Amino acid sequence: GENVEQHPSTLSVQEGDSAVIKCTYSDSASNYFPWYKQELGKRPQLIIDIRSNVGEKKDQRIAVTLNKTAKHFSLHITETQPEDSAVYFCAASVDFNKFYFGSGTKLNVKP
Amino acid sequence: EPEVTQTPSHQVTQMGQEVILRCVPISNHLYFYWYRQILGQKVEFLVSFYNNEISEKSEIFDDQFSVERPDGSNFTLKIRSTKLEDSAMYFCASKERNYGYTFGSGTRLTVV
Repeated sequence: GENVEQHPSTLSVQEGDSAVIKCTYSDSASNYFPWYKQELGKRPQLIIDIRSNVGEKKDQRIAVTLNKTAKHFSLHITETQPEDSAVYFCAASVDFNKFYFGSGTKLNVKP
Repeated sequence: EPEVTQTPSHQVTQMGQEVILRCVPISNHLYFYWYRQILGQKVEFLVSFYNNEISEKSEIFDDQFSVERPDGSNFTLKIRSTKLEDSAMYFCASKERNYGYTFGSGTRLTVV
């Protein structure tokens, strides 16, 4: 089955800096890659996603890039703010079926 | 914005007892899922449900687990005889055909 690896496990940045979280996947059939933000004790919330026919997608301060050849995708957050502090999970799926999640990255944005 | 709702938000149960976790998916969604998240760990797939039957289940989803959509709106997860290691946050999710999930707010299950 699919195996999703996520790095780093923790990331500390200064407010205003950029943050990058990277994921790799093993199943070349995976074609949908969402990113979820989970604040403490709350549900994971979809923040951005990308399908395999696209190499990059942006939504304001958040962007995701996908390299299908290398089987990795990354989340980029620019101009980080303290409210960006949370745990971020990447996931991969084939045809929007079950999601395989990465192990999460705890992002701490220091004011 | 439509939401997936889960009840209860927190359930404490004694080892060996049965628990039923309830979910109300978004009304026009067709695919339903249960995931769990042990404290500090990744979110893990348990089961997917479509067209009134299980479409896929993980090795975690053994004979102690079952799912049901009893009345066309609720989607339940039953654990027949809870174990300490079942303690986790359980998330229900639903989706339309080619979209990502909407997760519920979760039920924190504590087995004592």
